[in-house]
Amino acid sequence: ILNVEQSPQSLHVQEGDSTNFTCSFPSSNFYALHWYRWETAKSPEALFVMTLNGDEKKKGRISATLNTKEGYGYLYIKGSQPEDSATYLCASSTGNQFYFGTGTSLTVIP
Amino acid sequence: DTAVSQTPKYLVTQMGNDKSIKCEQNLGHDTMYWYKQDSKKFLKIMFSYNNKELIINETVPNRFSPKSPDKAHLNLHINSLELGDSAVYFCASSPTSGRRYEQYFGPGTRLTVT
Repeated sequence: ILNVEQSPQSLHVQEGDSTNFTCSFPSSNFYALHWYRWETAKSPEALFVMTLNGDEKKKGRISATLNTKEGYGYLYIKGSQPEDSATYLCASSTGNQFYFGTGTSLTVIP
Repeated sequence: DTAVSQTPKYLVTQMGNDKSIKCEQNLGHDTMYWYKQDSKKFLKIMFSYNNKELIINETVPNRFSPKSPDKAHLNLHINSLELGDSAVYFCASSPTSGRRYEQYFGPGTRLTVT
């Protein structure tokens, strides 16, 4: 079983602050890192899929980077807004399996 | 239109019963998945399936079986339900079985076994 870990578990930030969280995964047999946004009572929504070391992707105020050599992915939110409040999940895929972390719960305080 | 739909949304049943959860996707995707969200909020993959290959997570009891009548549907059958089967089950789909593709999730089915 892969250990995909996310930190911090939860985070409270003020509206307008920028924030970031980490996903760590075993670097052996790595294929892709997936990021999802999961709002309460809804289903996970795909944000990014990243495969290459050094890859950087951006969607609006949210961006992500990937370091496959050390087994880290980072998600950044610039100028957090209350609507960014959600749980952010990462998942590492290897072989035919996906292994999810437990997520980082973000609360943006107006 | 809902991309990935699941029915029912809630399912309450007694131990020992057999039940099914249905999943349908209208995205034209080739691959579908079933996940279980456990009590610690982990999402664990149970099955991935395309029209050629069924990949089973070896930790899934054989009381659980996926049934795919066609490419747009992957139903989950559970026999002899146990208390520990209580969880939220999510269906998902992706364009192909390639692991570089995003998955689109259904709204989840909350199963409660009493």
